[in-house]
Amino acid sequence: AQKITQTQPGMFVQEKEAVTLDCTYDTSDQSYGLFWYKQPSSGEMIFLIYQGSYDEQNATEGRYSLNFQKARKSANLVISASQLGDSAMYFCAMREGLTGGGNKLTFGTGTQLKVEL
Amino acid sequence: GAVVSQHPSRVICKSGTSVKIECRSLDFQATTMFWYRQFPKQSLMLMATSNEGSKATYEQGVEKDKFLINHASLTLSTLTVTSAHPEDSSFYICSARDLLGHGEKLFFGSGTQLSVL
Repeated sequence: AQKITQTQPGMFVQEKEAVTLDCTYDTSDQSYGLFWYKQPSSGEMIFLIYQGSYDEQNATEGRYSLNFQKARKSANLVISASQLGDSAMYFCAMREGLTGGGNKLTFGTGTQLKVEL
Repeated sequence: GAVVSQHPSRVICKSGTSVKIECRSLDFQATTMFWYRQFPKQSLMLMATSNEGSKATYEQGVEKDKFLINHASLTLSTLTVTSAHPEDSSFYICSARDLLGHGEKLFFGSGTQLSVL
């Protein structure tokens, strides 16, 4: 079974509108972390936001917020007031287990977001 | 934020040659670094976990003799693709975690596009 599922291969949004990118995950661990990264066409991976499994409040970072629904195992990314520069591939990822330097991330298949005028 | 530098950004080589890719953490020490591989329009797949001062841990299906990893210092990990073949052509990207400075964030290099002729 996929550990991270992103069901939207592509999304379009108009500039200044909000958009939600879906992510569901599968784990039996009680302690885990969820991440969103942005990958523009240049290839670099840009960290956007992090949510820990024990965090009671949804994470927010500027225009990014993570809609964390633990019971549903979903961690959707909400981008408010979309900008043309937001056009990129977005990856959801999960780290399983306790915190530590050796814990790897498992990535979803990504969602290609295009922001239109 | 923490910076991870990866070189070269792009390399073209002949089949049968070896290629070395460097990943440096510029302003923090990284006891663990991760090497990922990404095919066009696909997700990142973890290849191996690089541990400073010890052997790398390879993911299932990744040939350790093909992809040599050396993590000789707290700021440098190298990936050498030995006897490269066209099927090794891919985007390789490294990442590291600044445990002291940035907690959960995993920082990525800018990636290396390898093309084997």
